[in-house]
Amino acid sequence: GAGVSQSPSNKVTEKGKDVELRCDPISGHTALYWYRQSLGQGLEFLIYFQGNSAPDKSGLPSDRFSAERTGGSVSTLTIQRTQQEDSAVYLCASSLGWGWGAQETQYFGPGTRLLVL
Amino acid sequence: AQSVSQHNHHVILSEAASLELGCNYSYGGTVNLFWYVQYPGQHLQLLLKYFSGDPLVKGIKGFEAEFIKSKFSFNLRKPSVQWSDTAEYFCAVNPLSNSGYALNFGKGTSLLVTP
Repeated sequence: GAGVSQSPSNKVTEKGKDVELRCDPISGHTALYWYRQSLGQGLEFLIYFQGNSAPDKSGLPSDRFSAERTGGSVSTLTIQRTQQEDSAVYLCASSLGWGWGAQETQYFGPGTRLLVL
Repeated sequence: AQSVSQHNHHVILSEAASLELGCNYSYGGTVNLFWYVQYPGQHLQLLLKYFSGDPLVKGIKGFEAEFIKSKFSFNLRKPSVQWSDTAEYFCAVNPLSNSGYALNFGKGTSLLVTP
């Protein structure tokens, strides 16, 4: 079956502009995660959605970052007033979402490479 | 601070050499453990995982990892590497004692296998 898909693959933007990154999880997966992969920082957790529960936003680096998940499926990560330090690969992952403590495996998408000039 | 440590940042091996990549974590309690691999130009793929049971787990492409609870380690091994194993390898921990579900990743190990 189809894996996690993300769009766009690459995004170049100017400092101060807003960007939206999209993630389509694997069908049937109720849990969705956003991570950021950057040089020197490795892979960092950003935000987590589970079904209709309030998202876990504990990894968002600033209030310029937000995300939403519509209809329990597609998610959009929005970065407002982008800064050069936001340049990174933004990865989305999904899992079945059986709940806390479950033996969950996260499956990753190809990522969106963001470059802020 | 709680963390995941991968001791080798860059490893260069000749084909047929044996591989061991170290991973240590500092979370207490029950953990789920993973190794992910990222081949050049490709996305993160699951190599293997440990949830419970036999601490020696086998993954794809001949990789295996051993969970040693007393050492808080989950080292990745392969008896004989191939050129196609050139990739970046990430150890990840899901500390189930926390309320969150995020994977905590090590910084990664870049493996280059030379012919």
